[in-house]
Amino acid sequence: DTGVSQNPRHKITKRGQNVTFRCDPISEHNRLYWYRQTLGQGPEFLTYFQNEAQLEKSRLLSDRFSAERPKGSFSTLEIQRTEQGDSAMYLCASSSSTGVDEKLFFGSGTQLSVL
Amino acid sequence: AQSVSQHNHHVILSEAASLELGCNYSYGGTVNLFWYVQYPGQHLQLLLKYFSGDPLVKGIKGFEAEFIKSKFSFNLRKPSVQWSDTAEYFCAVNAPSGGSYIPTFGRGTSLIVHP
Repeated sequence: DTGVSQNPRHKITKRGQNVTFRCDPISEHNRLYWYRQTLGQGPEFLTYFQNEAQLEKSRLLSDRFSAERPKGSFSTLEIQRTEQGDSAMYLCASSSSTGVDEKLFFGSGTQLSVL
Repeated sequence: AQSVSQHNHHVILSEAASLELGCNYSYGGTVNLFWYVQYPGQHLQLLLKYFSGDPLVKGIKGFEAEFIKSKFSFNLRKPSVQWSDTAEYFCAVNAPSGGSYIPTFGRGTSLIVHP
């Protein structure tokens, strides 16, 4: 068990460019979450998957954001036409739970800076 | 939608002082409550959780939290802090959102412990 892995750790991009982040959850975990965290704030929910199905999306997730989890394994989060307001830490978490026993295992995050 | 309030954003203590961090949530039904911790340079990890039963729960490193349903609170406590407790602490709530349970986080409390 190597934990939740996120790549890249840091991403610097120019406004208007597209970026894609990857998350590899703990292998037996069926649930995968994406959160966004800005300085001085807690993690804000973006979206989550149970296996390959995307079951819930936050209103924070504008049309420029898309997430996938093909085959219920790793997940990608893409941001198109990045804006400076997208600068944040993007966190991935996974869980093996199917009910309320929702202990999350977090990755180290991808820090996005949009110039 | 449920919300989580952490009223202490920054706390500075000396070693051996007692700690209490406040957490209040807004959901009126059955909830499951968590405290997560993020040590400097590390990812978020679970400190303790409450699902049911004894409202006083104990976690790692001598931390405990008390669920008071009438006050919608889940405050974190430690009788005597150590320098190594310097970290960000996040309260989180799992409550129903549509057909899912989405972990919702507070904005966090930054704790600095002086040796």
